[in-house]
Amino acid sequence: QSVLTQPPSVSAAPGQRVTISCSGTSSNIENHYVSWYQQFPGSAPKLLLYDNNKRPSEIPDRFSGSKSGTSATLGITELQTGDEAHYYCGTWDSSLRAGVFGGGTKLTVL
Amino acid sequence: EMQLVESGGGLVKPGGSLRLSCAASGFTFRHFTMTWVRQTPGMRLEWLSSISATSSDIYYADSVKGRFTISRDNPKNSLSLHMNALRVEDTAIYFCARVVSLEAGWFDPWGQGTQVTVSP
Repeated sequence: QSVLTQPPSVSAAPGQRVTISCSGTSSNIENHYVSWYQQFPGSAPKLLLYDNNKRPSEIPDRFSGSKSGTSATLGITELQTGDEAHYYCGTWDSSLRAGVFGGGTKLTVL
Repeated sequence: EMQLVESGGGLVKPGGSLRLSCAASGFTFRHFTMTWVRQTPGMRLEWLSSISATSSDIYYADSVKGRFTISRDNPKNSLSLHMNALRVEDTAIYFCARVVSLEAGWFDPWGQGTQVTVSP
């Protein structure tokens, strides 16, 4: 059981848009920046977004992030089969004094 | 290029101990907080522990507090995780990562991971 809640899976067709939600509380998401990670099978997680919506230079602008209250959202447009991966949100929880992650969402591009 | 390489994983019996290491290169190690994160067989990511640049601040997840000890050797660009009293539920892939911002959950890069299996 993860502190942050993500849907276990989402799917969409190539070229479409998908969003992945990450739900938390006032102890974590509401009062801290959120990061997102992409993980392909057999590989380590890779930073996708930081500070809610900022992209490392190598990440295409098809990936975007937003936050409102106790929830954050990852958006991916123009879906490609190469986007099939697991996606995780993460932040800090000031009550637990611990890092926290979502349970992960498996994206399938049909 | 920044790189983190973990080592020390393996098969251990419940109650046993293991020491993981993480060798860092490509960035000024002594300037950054570092962290350990594990991934369970069910693909869940679990933050375990973080240590500040000078080792003055250390944090642990409740699940490993009292059993795991994080440490670092700045001159050797090395991070360690000493794991005692291992349990079957500690079976996971263990990753080290550089912390850009702990309070933002901003970890970059990550190492490739090392497998720890705890089994009778």
